Amino acid sequence: DAGVIQSPRHEVTEMGQEVTLRCKPISGHNSLFWYRQTMMRGLELLIYFNNNVPIDDSGMPEDRFSAKMPNASFSTLKIQPSEPRDSAVYFCASSRPSGKGETQYFGPGTRLLVL
Amino acid sequence: GESVGLHLPTLSVQEGDNSIINCAYSNSASDYFIWYKQESGKGPQFIIDIRSNMDKRQGQRVTVLLNKTVKHLSLQIAATQPGDSAVYFCAENLGDSWGKLQFGAGTQVVVTP
Repeated sequence: DAGVIQSPRHEVTEMGQEVTLRCKPISGHNSLFWYRQTMMRGLELLIYFNNNVPIDDSGMPEDRFSAKMPNASFSTLKIQPSEPRDSAVYFCASSRPSGKGETQYFGPGTRLLVL
Repeated sequence: GESVGLHLPTLSVQEGDNSIINCAYSNSASDYFIWYKQESGKGPQFIIDIRSNMDKRQGQRVTVLLNKTVKHLSLQIAATQPGDSAVYFCAENLGDSWGKLQFGAGTQVVVTP
């Protein structure tokens, strides 16, 4: 099992640029979660999908953030335009279809730095 | 609003001793709790979970205790090893059916020789 795969692992960009983070969940997992981790705010849930459908995006900070899951094996988190305060580690996690009570498996994260 | 919090931001433990990490939660609707371990530069890794119909659950060298009366969760690590040095997070399922979790602030565990 390859685990959750995220790319890129590191991203450095300038303020105003578009950033796209990618995630491939574990095969057979139908729930996918995007988190952001900072020292100030800890781990925050941004959005999660079940069967490719967004269930709850209340954690998305603002309209600059958007997420898609076009199929069961791929999801993107886009920030446009990026700002320095978006600098953080972004994690993707997946779990089996039943969702509740199922272990969420985290990817290695994407470390984003916006200058 | 309701949130998950940790009592101790840093815990220093001597190798071989037992560790106890505490977590308070305030959402009475939470019925599923998880402990994660995060090593530097890595994503959180599942350690153990417990449902609200249980008070205790044991794994390999780890035990989770749940006290619903005082809304308290703890993780006990037996015979702490250097590899146990990490940040430990408790998380609660907020009662929804989709696995939405709220994470605590984390506790840094440092194992000293």
